[in-house]
Amino acid sequence: DIVMTQSPDSLAVSLGERATINCKSSQSVLNSSNNKKYLAWYQQKPGQPPKLLIYWASTRESGVPDRFSGSGSGTDFTLTISSLQSEDVAVYYCHQYYRVPGTFGQGTKVEIK
Amino acid sequence: QVQLVESGGGVVQPERSLRLSCAASGFTFSSYGMHWVRQAPGKGLEWLTLISYDGSVKYYADSVKGRFTISRDNSQNTLYLQMNSLRPEDTAVYYCAKVRNGRELLDPFDHWGQGTLVTVSS
Repeated sequence: DIVMTQSPDSLAVSLGERATINCKSSQSVLNSSNNKKYLAWYQQKPGQPPKLLIYWASTRESGVPDRFSGSGSGTDFTLTISSLQSEDVAVYYCHQYYRVPGTFGQGTKVEIK
Repeated sequence: QVQLVESGGGVVQPERSLRLSCAASGFTFSSYGMHWVRQAPGKGLEWLTLISYDGSVKYYADSVKGRFTISRDNSQNTLYLQMNSLRPEDTAVYYCAKVRNGRELLDPFDHWGQGTLVTVSS
């Protein structure tokens, strides 16, 4: 199985400041045949299901604010919130869908400092 | 709009069975692969199983292989998860999720249900 490891486990950021979450996969999730990175990011608020933010490592889902961005290579990925808003308080998960079983990172909790 | 509504959760004794349902609406259900994902209380997300749009392909996580069975009824726009030989460690909120691109098995999940809680306890 591909192991997804996020860092940090939690972070506190001031309103308007940048938040950066890292995700490392134990194997590459880059499909060389189509040059796509099979990596997604989800946001989960308390009592709610996860919400898709980013897929193919850097494609923003429709309706997601442009302060959310994703980047990365075949094994190292980053979710950046450029200017943290109060509504961004949540747990964020990375997810590889390159291989079965799909696997998630352990989650990163983002809070306001 | 897309809606996924899970049902069938509850409290069940160890070694008993339970069947979860996920009623889909707002999209052409028969054109999309579907997944089940669970989340134990206070924990992260665990992928369980997937089924292709036509039901011909199924995969399972090792933790549920041989105990859980995924199925779908495209005429009823409903996804199922039959759970047998339940264990206390199966206690979790169970989510159904729709893939973004219908014919793809390996795809991100663009819609999730609200989840149904399964508690396995004597």
